[in-house]
Amino acid sequence: DTGVSQDPRHKITKRGQNVTFRCDPISEHNRLYWYRQTLGQGPEFLTYFQNEAQLEKSRLLSDRFSAERPKGSFSTLEIQRTEQGDSAMYLCASSLGLAGVYEQFFGPGTRLTVL
Amino acid sequence: GENVEQHPSTLSVQEGDSAVIKCTYSDSASNYFPWYKQELGKRPQLIIDIRSNVGEKKDQRIAVTLNKTAKHFSLHITETQPEDSAVYFCAASMTSYDKVIFGPGTSLSVIP
Repeated sequence: DTGVSQDPRHKITKRGQNVTFRCDPISEHNRLYWYRQTLGQGPEFLTYFQNEAQLEKSRLLSDRFSAERPKGSFSTLEIQRTEQGDSAMYLCASSLGLAGVYEQFFGPGTRLTVL
Repeated sequence: GENVEQHPSTLSVQEGDSAVIKCTYSDSASNYFPWYKQELGKRPQLIIDIRSNVGEKKDQRIAVTLNKTAKHFSLHITETQPEDSAVYFCAASMTSYDKVIFGPGTSLSVIP
């Protein structure tokens, strides 16, 4: 499968625990995006990378959230001291990052449930 | 920052009828407007997009229109089929590879 992959697909954790999600973009894509989607809502932008550089972080991304893309390939999103309000689907997307090439391809998402 | 609104939130049509979803955006700097379809339990998938230098774009049964002056854009689906049933999101972005700001979605049901 040459599409965007995410791991794990589901994560159940207790409040206060730390969790880490991984995203593997399409191999030649240099832009990588993280979104959060709650039930009945559209995806909300969290952060994005151009290669290994984090270009923007949403105000939604509190200091409990951190994202990395150390070698410009896969990315990780860590949530520390999880809260019940963090329960959501976390979506990763990637794109070529070139003018004229438009589409962001989404991964299947990681569904987080905080008990 | 950019804000995208979308109407209606739910839409039911008879198979074969047309469906129209309307969106507005707030940031006049936005110039790329993708539309995504998300089936239940699946990832969002791009179905069509339009750039600000184009007023209308069509792909088979799907068309999008853009009024940049009014900051409105719309999705038109003709000859709807049951497999068109899904949640549709409009979105806006400053460039084609910038972050995308999504609307809240329209749940479309096509009744056979």
